[in-house]
Amino acid sequence: GENVEQHPSTLSVQEGDSAVIKCTYSDSASNYFPWYKQELGKRPQLIIDIRSNVGEKKDQRIAVTLNKTAKHFSLHITETQPEDSAVYFCAAKGGSYIPTFGRGTSLIVHP
Amino acid sequence: DAGVIQSPRHEVTEMGQEVTLRCKPISGHNSLFWYRQTMMRGLELLIYFNNNVPIDDSGMPEDRFSAKMPNASFSTLKIQPSEPRDSAVYFCASSLGLAESYEQYFGPGTRLTVT
Repeated sequence: GENVEQHPSTLSVQEGDSAVIKCTYSDSASNYFPWYKQELGKRPQLIIDIRSNVGEKKDQRIAVTLNKTAKHFSLHITETQPEDSAVYFCAAKGGSYIPTFGRGTSLIVHP
Repeated sequence: DAGVIQSPRHEVTEMGQEVTLRCKPISGHNSLFWYRQTMMRGLELLIYFNNNVPIDDSGMPEDRFSAKMPNASFSTLKIQPSEPRDSAVYFCASSLGLAESYEQYFGPGTRLTVT
């Protein structure tokens, strides 16, 4: 089955800095990669996703990149703000139709 | 749309008691998923249904756990008997179907504490 590794587990940045979270996956059949944000005590919510026929996707301050050859994808947040503080989960979905989630990255943005 | 609805939001019970968690998926969604989230193990998929039929329950930790989906608008996850190690946040999620790009919408979760 699919295995998704996510790094780092914790990321601390100053407000205004950029943050990068990286994930690797094992199943070459995976072709859909969503990212979820979970604020403290809340539910995970989709913030951005990318399909395997696209190398990069942007939405305002967030962007995702995908390298299918290397089987890794990343989330980039620019100009971080305190409200970006949350746990971020990557996931990979393909042949099984069920997303496999990474363990999560706790992002802390210091004002 | 109210989104995925879960009840109760919090449950505190004593070891050995039966616990029933409830979920109402988004209307029109054909797939439903039960997850468990802990600090140690992250987000684990327990079981999922498609068109009310259980497809894969390999994530259910043991026979004490069972799940049903009697109709398209209701599902339950039951733990009997409950144990302290079952303490976790249980999320229900639904999606239009199982196709690759269908987003999963999570409910608010049920925080279960077993003492």
